[in-house]
Amino acid sequence: AQTVTQSQPEMSVQEAETVTLSCTYDTSESDYYLFWYKQPPSRQMILVIRQEAYKQQNATENRFSVNFQKAAKSFSLKISDSQLGDAAMYFCAYSGAGSYQLTFGKGTKLSVIP
Amino acid sequence: EAGVTQFPSHSVIEKGQTVTLRCDPISGHDNLYWYRRVMGKEIKFLLHFVKESKQDESGMPNNRFLAERTGGTYSTLKVQPAELEDSGVYFCASSQDIRGSGYTFGSGTRLTVV
Repeated sequence: AQTVTQSQPEMSVQEAETVTLSCTYDTSESDYYLFWYKQPPSRQMILVIRQEAYKQQNATENRFSVNFQKAAKSFSLKISDSQLGDAAMYFCAYSGAGSYQLTFGKGTKLSVIP
Repeated sequence: EAGVTQFPSHSVIEKGQTVTLRCDPISGHDNLYWYRRVMGKEIKFLLHFVKESKQDESGMPNNRFLAERTGGTYSTLKVQPAELEDSGVYFCASSQDIRGSGYTFGSGTRLTVV
């Protein structure tokens, strides 16, 4: 069975600084997808970024980028130039190729300090 | 386009009562999912509909939970009778392409059983 581990229950970052959220996973599959979701307080969970395991290039979406290390089964999220609106719970998730089911980590609560 | 809508946003019920949660997916999304997050734990898969058919309900905790999706549109999740351990946030999501595209989530229903 696949597992996703987020080892940082809480993190904080100064506004305009950079922060990295950690995620590791365990799987025996060779083809899969990885995701970072963001859930602001009392709002819906939105997809921040996704990575296809067969692509070596790290995904980037504006200020959000990932460091995907397939051999190490690591998938960290870097947020550059942090903004107050980045404060949220961040969930790392895994999906096997052809699978519809997501396996989530426990989440990391990110606070942004003005 | 309208997003995934869930209601109620909050529900507080007594142990032994019945509660019905509703989810309206994005129009045209054949795939609908229910997930649940118990406080402090991972978000866990409950079940998956393709149109009106249950594709996988392996995550449903027990027979006190009943999910339906009449006509392949909105879905309901009924808990009867509710127990204290049913408390948590229930998320609904929908998607078109089930392979690695990620979902669109609703804002969730926070259920508290007292």
